[in-house]
This record gives sequence, structure tokens and C-alpha cells, in this order.
Amino acid sequence: NAGVTQTPKFRVLKTGQSMTLLCAQDMNHEYMYWYRQDPGMGLRLIHYSVGEGTTAKGEVPDGYNVSRLKKQNFLLGLESAAPSQTSVYFCASSYSRASGSTDTQYFGPGTRLTVL
Amino acid sequence: DQQVKQNSPSLSVQEGRISILNCDYTNSMFDYFLWYKKYPAEGPTFLISISSIKDKNEDGRFTVFLNKSAKHLSLHIVPSQPGDSAVYFCAASASHSGYALNFGKGTSLLVTP
Repeated sequence: NAGVTQTPKFRVLKTGQSMTLLCAQDMNHEYMYWYRQDPGMGLRLIHYSVGEGTTAKGEVPDGYNVSRLKKQNFLLGLESAAPSQTSVYFCASSYSRASGSTDTQYFGPGTRLTVL
Repeated sequence: DQQVKQNSPSLSVQEGRISILNCDYTNSMFDYFLWYKKYPAEGPTFLISISSIKDKNEDGRFTVFLNKSAKHLSLHIVPSQPGDSAVYFCAASASHSGYALNFGKGTSLLVTP
């Protein structure tokens, strides 16, 4: 049981390049989330998904797109990277409220992205 | 607009003593509160949580207290151990607003031998 895994762990991009971050979970969680963490800041929600085929915007969605084609995977895309997107990105997953569960989210190890 | 605030960026405590980490919130609709622990280069790890229908939840050395009237919660670690040295994030969610956790900026705890 690996929990939540993220690929890659590190990446350096040039301004304007694109990339996709992959998140996978093996806990059969309905909900998945992408956060970013910047120095001196808490985690801020970028996008989230409440089930396969669904996505929604969080607090800071601009410049990012997401897809949830399979229940266990949640992809975060940067179409045209900007230096302001230099950050550490965390993926998380949780059970659904409909199952009677709580809001406890389980996090992956993070992806450190630098945009030059 | 920060709805969850951790006003102490850092805290230093001696091994064996009590560590008290504080968190304030502004949104009265928050009904579930969590503490996460984070080591460098790792993801946040869930530590303990509390529902708004309770005022205390205990798990081993960790206890979370919730004061709804003051919109304040605290995490007590007793006794503190060097391995507890990490950044602690307070987070909150509201039933009506969906699924997002609102995080504080974190408090860096250092437990010295």
C-alpha cells in the first residue's frame, strides 16, 4: 500500500514550456486535490476532483489544468510555465463525505518545480 | 484573506516539556479542524483532528483543544520529543463549502535535548 505517490519529484522548466505532474493513490479514495506551497505560506488549493471524470477549481487555478480520467490518478498540467509557478506541489486524496467519512486528506511527498 | 492563522512562526521547547501550538480562525462555518505535521522534503502527515461538536480530542501524546466561542484551537504535545521537531500546520474545513482544507502558514517546532 503506497498511499499517495507523485511523479516527478523534481523538475526544472524554462518559461513557456509545458509539463504534467502525475498523482496516483491506491486507497480507493473518491476525492483528490492539488495544492501548492510557497515559502512562508500554507498550502493553497489549485484544483480538486470529487470523482472520476470530474474536476473543479480551487483557490488558485489560473495557469493550471487538471484531468481525472481514472479514479486512482489525478493529473496537473502547466500549459505555458511562468516563474510565478515555481513552487512545491502536493497532491492529496480523501474519502467522500457521502461515505460518512471526515475531511482527513492524505498527502503525497511533493514535486519541487522551478521555472526559469 | 487568511481564514486560518498561526501567529507564531516558530517555537522552541525543551525535551520532556509541553509544546503548545496555537491556531485562530475567522470563518464561523468551519466545522472540522485538523493538524498536520511536515518534515522537510516530505508531504504533510495527518496528526489529529477534531469536529466542532467536541472541545477536546486526545491521541497518545497529542491533544487538540477547540474553543468555538474564541475561534481558537491548540495542539498540546506532552512530553515533547526531539523527533517532534517539524512544521505543524493547522487546517479547517466547512461542510457547506465543499472539500477544500484551509491551511494556516505553519509553526516550526524545535524540540531541544
